[in-house]
Amino acid sequence: DVKVTQSSRYLVKRTGEKVFLECVQDMDHENMFWYRQDPGLGLRLIYFSYDVKMKEKGDIPEGYSVSREKKERFSLILESASTNQTSMYLCASTGLREQFFGPGTRLTVL
Amino acid sequence: GENVEQHPSTLSVQEGDSAVIKCTYSDSASNYFPWYKQELGKRPQLIIDIRSNVGEKKDQRIAVTLNKTAKHFSLHITETQPEDSAVYFCAASLLKSGNTPLVFGKGTRLSVIA
Repeated sequence: DVKVTQSSRYLVKRTGEKVFLECVQDMDHENMFWYRQDPGLGLRLIYFSYDVKMKEKGDIPEGYSVSREKKERFSLILESASTNQTSMYLCASTGLREQFFGPGTRLTVL
Repeated sequence: GENVEQHPSTLSVQEGDSAVIKCTYSDSASNYFPWYKQELGKRPQLIIDIRSNVGEKKDQRIAVTLNKTAKHFSLHITETQPEDSAVYFCAASLLKSGNTPLVFGKGTRLSVIA
């Protein structure tokens, strides 16, 4: 069974903290993605990676960075969390066609 | 780059009626158009997709149509049921090696009223 997992379902952090969101997939997919989902704005792409140690900026990369040291793991890093980064974060991976999403991490920055 | 517009943002239908959600895309090179359904509190999941070499695809009560000339595609749900209530996202991309990301519409919240 296809599986994309995220390290936390809910996370509360303080402004200025460094935040790590981790995503793991077990499908041997090359392509992995990080989105944030906000009401009325849909799914906005933050960063994606199509190979180990490769990364590409998406539509809203400001304030974020990523790491892909192993094929199965893709991490999203908020260097200094701010309140406007309060959101639902979704990880996804894809082979040649279907994109599989993780369960999401709801991050609240106080 | 690709831009996907989705309408309406909310849709309410009576149980048993049909629902139609429409999307337009900007990049004529896009050749892959999936639809995702996200139930409340759950992750988006693929429900149907279509490639640019076909104009229509059906799977039981759902169908997708594609008009390449006009650059729009639509999701049709017939005989709607309460469990169809969810947020639906359309997307577009150039499907080649998989490293061209999907571009999503902003979503349509469908409510099926029993």
